[in-house]
Amino acid sequence: RKEVEQDPGPFNVPEGATVAFNCTYSNSASQSFFWYRQDCRKEPKLLMSVYSSGNEDGRFTAQLNRASQYISLLIRDSKLSDSATYLCVVERYSSASKIIFGSGTRLSIRP
Amino acid sequence: NAGVTQTPKFRILKIGQSMTLQCAQDMNHNYMYWYRQDPGMGLKLIYYSVGAGITDKGEVPNGYNVSRSTTEDFPLRLELAAPSQTSVYFCASRLSGGSTDTQYFGPGTRLTVL
Repeated sequence: RKEVEQDPGPFNVPEGATVAFNCTYSNSASQSFFWYRQDCRKEPKLLMSVYSSGNEDGRFTAQLNRASQYISLLIRDSKLSDSATYLCVVERYSSASKIIFGSGTRLSIRP
Repeated sequence: NAGVTQTPKFRILKIGQSMTLQCAQDMNHNYMYWYRQDPGMGLKLIYYSVGAGITDKGEVPNGYNVSRSTTEDFPLRLELAAPSQTSVYFCASRLSGGSTDTQYFGPGTRLTVL
């Protein structure tokens, strides 16, 4: 079983729709959680960190559920420019830093 | 600030050749990372460094070496290139290992080993 799992998609939704992705992680010692966005053939860029209390940035909302070991990303009023791959990242710190990227969820917004 | 820069952008190697992928950052970040990304996959950590003179292995270090003689530079060395090392390589940096610190990525190096 992968340590971080995401539904690969693709999710194909109309402009203006609301779409949600989940990401599950298997190691309960995981401490930090992030969503990154990656456009085709480009480098990943941080979309948002995910906090226990949940956090919102404009049309984007991220939630963390430690009990069930998943994080989620909700995109409201989706735009064509939201088309990208969304990467879930889980990190923990012990004797060495461990950073695990999910394989990504592809999102395609259609006009 | 240029951010994180990587050279070259593209490279084709023959099996058994060696090369160094260059990475530099001008943000005075302590932490630097090397990842590889295979098609349709997430990034996998090869090596990382928490400061000049300190490096540590990530998830997939075999076939690679790194050094960190300065804060700015973090080159990745491939010895005896193999087709399994065909991938896109990303370098990243962040100020520290804290949960609120963003990783900034370079544009990547696309490597093909034939």
